[in-house]
Formats: sequence, structure tokens, C-alpha cells
Amino acid sequence: SQTIHQWPATLVQPVGSPLSLECTVEGTSNPNLYWYRQAAGRGLQLLFYSVGIGQISSEVPQNLSASRPQDRQFILSSKKLLLSDSGFYLCASGVIYTGELFFGEGSRLTVL
Amino acid sequence: AQSVAQPEDQVNVAEGNPLTVKCTYSVSGNPYLFWYVQYPNRGLQFLLKYITGDNLVKGSYGFEAEFNKSQTSFHLKKPSALVSDSALYFCAVRDKYSGGGADGLTFGKGTHLIIQP
Repeated sequence: SQTIHQWPATLVQPVGSPLSLECTVEGTSNPNLYWYRQAAGRGLQLLFYSVGIGQISSEVPQNLSASRPQDRQFILSSKKLLLSDSGFYLCASGVIYTGELFFGEGSRLTVL
Repeated sequence: AQSVAQPEDQVNVAEGNPLTVKCTYSVSGNPYLFWYVQYPNRGLQFLLKYITGDNLVKGSYGFEAEFNKSQTSFHLKKPSALVSDSALYFCAVRDKYSGGGADGLTFGKGTHLIIQP
């Protein structure tokens, strides 16, 4: 099965600072990759997904961007963080045939 | 379009009693259905899935779910609840004939399961 590594696990950043969250995948090749944000321990909001290197689709307009420089690496970035960017960010890798997702342990971002 | 409804924000069950977490879905074709569990400050963990075959699916930690096509439901069940089952549970659906990317899984809003000692 797949293993998803995310780092850092927690991050406290001032408003206006840059952001980089990283995600790497083991145990598969050419996966679909996803970034979700979860607010206040509830529902998941899909932010970005990627079906291949350099291919990024955004689901919602926002202050964030994503990149996929390698097959099993997915990065979430921001040039200038906003207070509203605070949340729990989850990276996931998908099984193409069934759509089943494997999740990382998440990165908690607090913007002050 | 596909959608998932988890009608209960929270379910409270006494330890040792059976538990049910409800999920209904809507897809245009045949569904693939999933349950995930999330413990505080952790990622989502896969519990079980229905792809095809037997309508009763058994998964991790003694959980099971029954696919009911006529009622478009996929309720999560366990015969005897443990305090350690307390967590946030997500139901998810995918249309069998949809692709990856944004046509992937659609998640419900989650149900907090609280098992009281």
C-alpha cells in the first residue's frame, strides 16, 4: 500500500510570510495527488489536484498555489500568508481505478 | 454530479452498545463507497470500501457497512462500541465511471462519534 509523508507537522507563521508544505509518496508511481484543507475538525475542502508532473488543477480561487516537480512530490505554497490560511492541510494520493485515497498525517498551519 | 450526506453531526453511544453512523449518497451511475476515520490531529485512515460483490463489507477495527442500492445508503456499523472508537468518521463516494482528479472522491461533512464509558 501507499505511504504519504507530510512535513512540517506543525507550523506557526506570521501574516505576510511565505509558506511551503511538502508531501512525498511511497509505494506507487504516477499517482493522482491532492491537497485538502480541513477547518475546525470538520469537512474537507479540495484545494488542488494533480494527475501528473507539472499538471495542477485548482478547485477554489485562493492565496495558495501547488506544484508537482517530481512524480511523487507535491508542494503547497504561498508567497504571502493570510490569517484565513490557517488550518489543517492534508495531502492524499489516489488509486486510479477505484479513486480510493491514502492520506498523510497532515500539517497544521497557524497564521498569526 | 455525485454527493454524500451524513445527516448526523454527532452520534453518542454507550460503550458495549451497537453503533450506526449514517451515510446516503447520490451518483449518476454505480457507486464506489468508502468510510474513513480521523483521530484528533491525524490524517484520515481507511476503514472499508464497497466496490462490487457482497453488500455487507467488513473492514478494520470490527467495523462493517451495508450497501443498500434501493435506499442509496452505506451506513457504518459495529456490534459493540469501544471508547477508542471515538473519532470523526467520513463517508465518501465516487461514480464508478468518473475519472480521477476532481471527479475523484466526494466526502461527506463528517460525523463525530462519541463513545461514553
